[in-house]
Amino acid sequence: GQQVMQIPQYQHVQEGEDFTTYCNSSTTLSNIQWYKQRPGGHPVFLIQLVKSGEVKKQKRLTFQFGEAKKNSSLHITATQTTDVGTYFCAANSGGYQKVTFGIGTKLQVIP
Amino acid sequence: DAGITQSPRHKVTETGTPVTLRCHQTENHRYMYWYRQDPGHGLRLIHYSYGVKDTDKGEVSDGYSVSRSKTEDFLLTLESATSSQTSVYFCAISEIGSNQPQHFGDGTRLSIL
Repeated sequence: GQQVMQIPQYQHVQEGEDFTTYCNSSTTLSNIQWYKQRPGGHPVFLIQLVKSGEVKKQKRLTFQFGEAKKNSSLHITATQTTDVGTYFCAANSGGYQKVTFGIGTKLQVIP
Repeated sequence: DAGITQSPRHKVTETGTPVTLRCHQTENHRYMYWYRQDPGHGLRLIHYSYGVKDTDKGEVSDGYSVSRSKTEDFLLTLESATSSQTSVYFCAISEIGSNQPQHFGDGTRLSIL
């Protein structure tokens, strides 16, 4: 099945600093999804990217899909303590409606 | 949040005992999934279902079985629990159609002693 590599695994930032997590694949992806999991919570769907070079924004969050559709990134501008959690990317894994999740990036924001 | 209920929310049991986890949805979504989440591994798919009595294996299916006799219920069974199955288990659902997002339940924390 499709594998996606996600880096970094952990990131500590000072409140107000920016944060970026990356998701990479060796093969072309049909789409990429991003999820957020708060500590003690469950993953929550954030967004899906489908088109080559696509950029979508949600307030301070910017999601990008690479031109070759082999990588994606999530960038948070001016982090806040509410951004704490683990961010996962997920890509279609060959089976209909099956996805493979990246290992996740755990973000800690220091007040 | 999507209408997904997992039960029990927490369970502690002994090695060798059978364990069944239940996922109940009120959304009438066709697809249902069971994942386990472990530190350093992210979310890994155990089994999934694409309809009543239609199920298939995921990447970590050994030691697990599933059943789906009704659209709303998806059961995960550990026939003889082992300590390596200590984990947090999440159920997810999604609508039919390509690239549909998944919606997760609150999870079950299972400890096998």
